[in-house]
Amino acid sequence: AQTVTQSQPEMSVQEAETVTLSCTYDTSESDYYLFWYKQPPSRQMILVIRQEAYKQQNATENRFSVNFQKAAKSFSLKISDSQLGDAAMYFCAYRSNTGANSKLTFGKGITLSVRP
Amino acid sequence: DTGVSQDPRHKITKRGQNVTFRCDPISEHNRLYWYRQTLGQGPEFLTYFQNEAQLEKSRLLSDRFSAERPKGSFSTLEIQRTEQGDSAMYLCASSLYLLNEQFFGPGTRLTVL
Repeated sequence: AQTVTQSQPEMSVQEAETVTLSCTYDTSESDYYLFWYKQPPSRQMILVIRQEAYKQQNATENRFSVNFQKAAKSFSLKISDSQLGDAAMYFCAYRSNTGANSKLTFGKGITLSVRP
Repeated sequence: DTGVSQDPRHKITKRGQNVTFRCDPISEHNRLYWYRQTLGQGPEFLTYFQNEAQLEKSRLLSDRFSAERPKGSFSTLEIQRTEQGDSAMYLCASSLYLLNEQFFGPGTRLTVL
């Protein structure tokens, strides 16, 4: 079974600064996707960024980028130029590309606060 | 299309009562997922449907839980004889195909007294 570990329960960043959220995972599969989801307080979860395991290049979406280290099974999220609206819980998630079930396996999440 | 919707948003019930939640996926999405999120944890997979067929159930889904998706449109999740341990946020997500992005609803927060 796959597992996703987010060992930092909380982080704080100054507005306009950069912050990195850590995630490690464990799997015996070679074909999978990794995701970062954002869950603002009392609002629904939205996808921030995704990475396909076969792609060497790290994914980037505007101010959000990942550092994907497949051998180390590490998948961190970097948020540049942090904004107040980035304050939320962030979940790292894994999805297998093998078989018919595309369920997501989530980590425990990290609460990010942004200081004005 | 306004996205995935869930009803009710909040439900408070007494232990032993039955509750039913509804999820309306994005139209034309053929896959529908249910997850459960307890306080301080990430969502955990419960079950999923492809059209009207329920294809997998997690071991978390005890026999008190049942889910349906008649006609492959909306889905319902029923919990019978609720227990305090059932208190959680129940999330629904839908996707168009197997490997497409899952879009989440706002969730139904269940409190069992």
